Amino acid sequence: QVTLRESGPALVKPTQTLTLTCTFSGFSLSTSGMCVSWIRQPPGKALEWLARIDWDDDKYYSTSLKTRLTISKDTSKNQVVLTMTNMDPVDTATYYCARTRAVAGIPTLDYWGQGTLVTVSS
Amino acid sequence: DIQMTQSPSSLSASVGDRVTITCRASQSISSYLNWYQQKPGKAPKLLIYAASSLQSGVPSRFSGSGSGTDFTLTISSLQPEDFATYYCQQSYSTGTFGQGTRLEIK
Repeated sequence: QVTLRESGPALVKPTQTLTLTCTFSGFSLSTSGMCVSWIRQPPGKALEWLARIDWDDDKYYSTSLKTRLTISKDTSKNQVVLTMTNMDPVDTATYYCARTRAVAGIPTLDYWGQGTLVTVSS
Repeated sequence: DIQMTQSPSSLSASVGDRVTITCRASQSISSYLNWYQQKPGKAPKLLIYAASSLQSGVPSRFSGSGSGTDFTLTISSLQPEDFATYYCQQSYSTGTFGQGTRLEIK
């Protein structure tokens, strides 16, 4: 059974750095083809893809946010960490992590965590 | 960056209706297109991957088609549980989402 759970602070101040952890079970990030992605959704708005880390440690970032994002993994702990620097109120959103797997060769977000709401406010 | 444009942004329909949502990519993405359903307060759920393949457990009334830049999601006969927001996502280059289509009860 595949599960993912996001954890991190519910409230951060402007200019601070956000650190979110995705803890997963039911698969291994050392398995070929396995990846984990981060996605966010501001209240009432659309989904926004943020970053992805692959089993071979390849990393991919949103072009618009790449200077602020860092993704890393700890395979032994089944965790993926996302950091976002210089937080701003517009970064207020629910942040999701999702297992990403190449199905028919196409990266697909097939299991999602429940999401964690992060509010940026002083 | 590849931009994804969905239409319509919102749609009102009745139970039993056939509904089609379209998604257009700003450049060719072959079949690197997925569709997700999201209900209020819940995480998105994968419906269709690789443009036309039905995810395991998803009812057969959902179908997808298209390749290149133009794609469609069709629900053949709307059920009450289908009223939700639908997103397309390209995975050809990173993973851009469309802006979503909100499907409401008429």
